[in-house]
Amino acid sequence: SAVISQKPSRDICQRGTSLTIQCQVDSQVTMMFWYRQQPGQSLTLIATANQGSEATYESGFVIDKFPISRPNLTFSTLTVSNMSPEDSSIYLCSVEVGGLRGDTQYFGPGTRLTVL
Amino acid sequence: DAKTTQPPSMDCAEGRAANLPCNHSTISGNEYVYWYRQIHSQGPQYIIHGLKNNETNEMASLIITEDRKSSTLILPHATLRDTAVYYCIVRVGTNAGKSTFGDGTTLTVKP
Repeated sequence: SAVISQKPSRDICQRGTSLTIQCQVDSQVTMMFWYRQQPGQSLTLIATANQGSEATYESGFVIDKFPISRPNLTFSTLTVSNMSPEDSSIYLCSVEVGGLRGDTQYFGPGTRLTVL
Repeated sequence: DAKTTQPPSMDCAEGRAANLPCNHSTISGNEYVYWYRQIHSQGPQYIIHGLKNNETNEMASLIITEDRKSSTLILPHATLRDTAVYYCIVRVGTNAGKSTFGDGTTLTVKP
């Protein structure tokens, strides 16, 4: 398994500002993911971040709005830029851990963002 | 990844078994069935996964039909703390990358 921590756990931000969310894992992992969960909705993948390469963004998400860093195998950041109230969501970091019976994805506790 | 279908909501009495169904009729031979749950806006918690055999761990049991087109997650003795949204996901077992989440089943355990 993997233990994942995220900072901050929650924040309230003003429109037009940016917030950087940190994700720390207790073991080295190749694949990390960032998800968004809007109020009352399911999880939506923003991007996949592998160490040593550019993040791969899903349709509807762009690097200018959600820049991601992945400096090593245990850490990643997601920045939500030029925020608007529509960005109010829970942002979740996730990692993939290999196993004999298939890989398993584990999730952090999430960062609850409110944009005013 | 194969698409899954789950009922939007279910109720269960505390102390009774909760049986959560999932249909995945288009599952491929190399795809596993994974179950997660999300308790009130926390991060999703991994529960169990399986390929074709039934699986059991300390949290739950997973029953997969012989044709693998459906499965059931069983919480043997549901408690109020099991109230959550339960997600059934189908994906390949290695180098799958992302998991695609549907709407899940909201399980409410009642006293």
